[in-house]
Amino acid sequence: EVHLVESGGGIVRPGGSLRLSCAGSGFTFDDYGMSWVRQGPGKGLEWVSGINWNGGSTGYADSVKGRFTISRDNAKNSLYLQMNSLRAEDTALYYCARDRGRLTSVPADYWGQGTLVTVSS
Amino acid sequence: AIRMTQSPSSFSASTGDRVTITCRASQGVGSYLAWYQQKPGRAPKLLISAASTLQSGVPSRFSGSGSGTDFTLTISCLQSEDFATYYCQQYYTYPRTFGQGTKVEIK
Repeated sequence: EVHLVESGGGIVRPGGSLRLSCAGSGFTFDDYGMSWVRQGPGKGLEWVSGINWNGGSTGYADSVKGRFTISRDNAKNSLYLQMNSLRAEDTALYYCARDRGRLTSVPADYWGQGTLVTVSS
Repeated sequence: AIRMTQSPSSFSASTGDRVTITCRASQGVGSYLAWYQQKPGRAPKLLISAASTLQSGVPSRFSGSGSGTDFTLTISCLQSEDFATYYCQQYYTYPRTFGQGTKVEIK
């Protein structure tokens, strides 16, 4: 059974940094691209970032480009999101999601339960 | 970035109704369009990929159609468990983008 578990969320001051992690199990991790999607309180879904199976291709939402960095460690079955220069509008529940395959032009088919990031002074 | 616009943003319906949600892309995305269902406090669930391919285990009352810039999600006979928020998403290119969501509420 596919299992995704996010961690690393918390409360951080504006301008601060946070690193999210996502541990995958129940599937061959390096056979799949991965994504981060967030949802602000009472808001819709916002795709944040994606990475292909080997880390050779990455993408970012305009709202986080230059501040967030996605990476993966296939030996550890783990996905990461380094978030710098955090703003109040980054406050959200951050989901890790598995893409359907290795390529970037596939949808996400499995999701974790999310980790909450709160940016507040 | 490609902008995805859903309509309506919300509406009320009754069990048994046929409902249709539309999604329009600001530029062509081929058939690289997915529909997700989200219930309160839950992670999104993939219903349809490639604009019209139903995911395994999703009831056949759900269907999708369209290509290019205009897409629809249809629920042929609304059930109580279908009251939720629905999102379209293009995965044609990075950055992937979601529609703003359509909340289906009980009338």
